[in-house]
Order: sequence, then C-alpha cells, then structure tokens
Amino acid sequence: EAQVTQNPRYLITVTGKKLTVTCSQNMNHEYMSWYRQDPGLGLRQIYYSMNVEVTDKGDVPEGYKVSRKEKRNFPLILESPSPNQTSLYFCASSLGARGGEETQYFGPGTRLLVL
Amino acid sequence: GQSLEQPSEVTAVEGAIVQINCTYQTSGFYGLSWYQQHDGGAPTFLSYNALDGLEETGRFSSFLSRSDSYGYLLLQELQMKDSASYFCAVSNQAGTALIFGKGTTLSVSS
Repeated sequence: EAQVTQNPRYLITVTGKKLTVTCSQNMNHEYMSWYRQDPGLGLRQIYYSMNVEVTDKGDVPEGYKVSRKEKRNFPLILESPSPNQTSLYFCASSLGARGGEETQYFGPGTRLLVL
Repeated sequence: GQSLEQPSEVTAVEGAIVQINCTYQTSGFYGLSWYQQHDGGAPTFLSYNALDGLEETGRFSSFLSRSDSYGYLLLQELQMKDSASYFCAVSNQAGTALIFGKGTTLSVSS
C-alpha cells in the first residue's frame, strides 16, 4: 500500500530534550516536506527536500533541522524543543511540488506537546 | 511573498451547493490545488487547476481564473460527511513549494 508513515503519532516532552520525528514514504517520491498546523494558521511549511541531500527552508524553519540521506526518509529534528513548538506536524511526499500529477500525500500526523 | 485568502467558516444544509473562494498573491504561479481535512486527520487531495476554467470530479468542481488570481471549490449535493476543513494551495513556478491557505471550515447540517 502506498503510504507516508510518521512516528511517533503522539509525543509529550519537556523543554530542551532533543527529539526526532521520523517520516518514511514507499512511493519513490523525490519531493518531501514537513508542515506544522496550528489553529487558525493553516499548514505552514517548515522544510522541504527536492531530492537526496537537497534540503531547503520553508516559511517557519526556526528551531528545526532535517536531513535527507535516503530517498524514502525525511526525519524532523528538534534539537531543543520549546513550548511554542507544540503543534500538529505533517510529513508529505510527492513527485514534485507543482500540484496536479505532483499531488502531495500526507502522513497521519504527529501531535507534539512540549511542556 | 505569497498569500492566500479564503473564508474561515461556511455553513450549509444537506443537499445544498456551497462555493469556497480563494484569492491568492504569489510571485510565480503554477497551479491551484484543493485539499480536504477531516478533524484530526491528514489532508487529502481533492482537485487541481493549472489552466483557467472548471475541473469537475464527481460532486466536487474547482475553478481557476489566472488573470484574477482567483479560484473556488464548488461542492454539490452536500452530505454530512463533507463537514471538514478545505484548504486551497498554490504551487510556485519553480516547483519548490506548495503554500496553503488558512483553511475554510465547512459545517453541513441536516
């Protein structure tokens, strides 16, 4: 089954404790992206990757890191989480970012609470 | 920069037709997409327009006017299960980003 998986689905942590949210896709997509979703603000892009070893900042990259060592995986790293990073996070993958045939497939989401 | 405007909430009754508008400002436009998101779930793709005109997919249609930087999603024969959030999103010419609007919450009542 074609899918994007994220782990963990739910996470409660404390300020400053490094964490990683994993994202994996099995569709051989080149483009992968991370979004955060907050009430009233919609989906905001954190980082994206056009291909292996190619990553770039989205609209809200502060406090986050990513890596793309393999095509299928695109982990999101919070080196020192803070309460303002409490949010719902989505990973997405697609052939590209132009839409249409390059439609994005989203993972199930990760709910993060930083105390 | 890029920005999208869509209404925050829309209400309708079962069987009705509803239109969700989206206006955008973007430097370099490639296409307009629509996504649906049920409460607590992941966004899923609904429709896409790269050229002016109407695209129809079952009960859902989407329209684009590039000259007006405007599009809309039309939902016909509304059902209770259509209660969800709907997002418009623009993709840039470079194909590097899909920028989402803040979403429209549609509530369908019986």
